[in-house]
Amino acid sequence: DGGITQSPKYLFRKEGQNVTLSCEQNLNHDAMYWYRQDPGQGLRLIYYSQIVNDFQKGDIAEGYSVSREKKESFPLTVTSAQKNPTAFYLCASSGFEVSNQPQHFGDGTRLSIL
Amino acid sequence: RKEVEQDPGPFNVPEGATVAFNCTYSNSASQSFFWYRQDCRKEPKLLMSVYSSGNEDGRFTAQLNRASQYISLLIRDSKLSDSATYLCVVNSRYNFNKFYFGSGTKLNVKP
Repeated sequence: DGGITQSPKYLFRKEGQNVTLSCEQNLNHDAMYWYRQDPGQGLRLIYYSQIVNDFQKGDIAEGYSVSREKKESFPLTVTSAQKNPTAFYLCASSGFEVSNQPQHFGDGTRLSIL
Repeated sequence: RKEVEQDPGPFNVPEGATVAFNCTYSNSASQSFFWYRQDCRKEPKLLMSVYSSGNEDGRFTAQLNRASQYISLLIRDSKLSDSATYLCVVNSRYNFNKFYFGSGTKLNVKP
């Protein structure tokens, strides 16, 4: 089945530690995204990538980094510079430069601080 | 001003009721419009795209008003299973790959 796979489902971070969230898609989508959602809040864009080896900062990129070495994969690293990382992280993908193509989401990773 | 604004609710309605949500967007260059449903602690799932002439999918009807820059979602004959948060999403004709999310409208359908 085509879809987006995020792993792990739950992740715990220690102080000063970097952690990486995985996102893989087999939908052959060019564009991929990372969002953060805090309890009771909407989605906020962290980073997005329209094509391999290229990505842009979203609204809340500070303390995060990404890479896009393969079309299928868009991992997100939450660095120690992100002082309040506890949130629900959602990865999404969509077709590139095609009007009216919606985003498809993975089932998310919940990150907490130990 | 936010790109997309929604009434957070909650809308508390009895089973069988008809309920409508509106969503306003600020960018007149917005090109594509969507409604997503998000259950508690789950990922958003596409409910329906919104087309210029309006469209219907079973009990759900979506409308677009470009002149007033809003979209609406009408749910008829509400079911308990319709209880969720409904997210309005738009993107721009200048960048199909940038999506703007509303904060969502919470719906509670009561027995």
